[in-house]
Amino acid sequence: GQNIDQPTEMTATEGAIVQINCTYQTSGFNGLFWYQQHAGEAPTFLSYNVLDGLEEKGRFSSFLSRSKGYSYLLLKELQMKDSASYLCAVMDSNYQLIWGAGTKLIIKP
Amino acid sequence: GAVVSQHPSWVICKSGTSVKIECRSLDFQATTMFWYRQFPKQSLMLMATSNEGSKATYEQGVEKDKFLINHASLTLSTLTVTSAHPEDSSFYICSARVLSGGAIMGETQYFGPGTRLLVL
Repeated sequence: GQNIDQPTEMTATEGAIVQINCTYQTSGFNGLFWYQQHAGEAPTFLSYNVLDGLEEKGRFSSFLSRSKGYSYLLLKELQMKDSASYLCAVMDSNYQLIWGAGTKLIIKP
Repeated sequence: GAVVSQHPSWVICKSGTSVKIECRSLDFQATTMFWYRQFPKQSLMLMATSNEGSKATYEQGVEKDKFLINHASLTLSTLTVTSAHPEDSSFYICSARVLSGGAIMGETQYFGPGTRLLVL
């Protein structure tokens, strides 16, 4: 079967760095997405990785290793507004999205 | 874990036809389902919120007569794109909010795999 695993919840301190991991097993691979979702809002697109390596975009970076079926989202200089759920999703060979359950990130002052 | 399915996965249709997309929660009851559309590498755009047994709530700019939503049961919501046109071609994603023990479980949404619509 297909599955995406990510931690249910993480806690970090304002100003610190946090890494949210995502491992996947899917039928084919056409890219991995990270989304941020605040409570009651639609998910917003953060990153898309289809090749191995690190993609940096401001305070957020996303890493992909296709051979390991592994990705992480790195958030630097954490701010209180970064408290949200972070969703990992993989597009499979049929171009369908397989979703992780999301990681709830709690930022403490 | 909670599973949400969508059917069909792919739809190719002629301009002017209507297309129905089903969203099902397979192992849980969902009083609320959400319909989104997504363009490549963009954020999901919420189209409407569907509550079981009542009329859907549409977001501003979404035509309710064009995108008909029916939430007939706690496990099924349907989106019908009426008189589809090429500009309606998109990736439609549904999600379901989990209801457990009478309380919403931490506002967790479970997302479906999406339905890719191509209108020729």
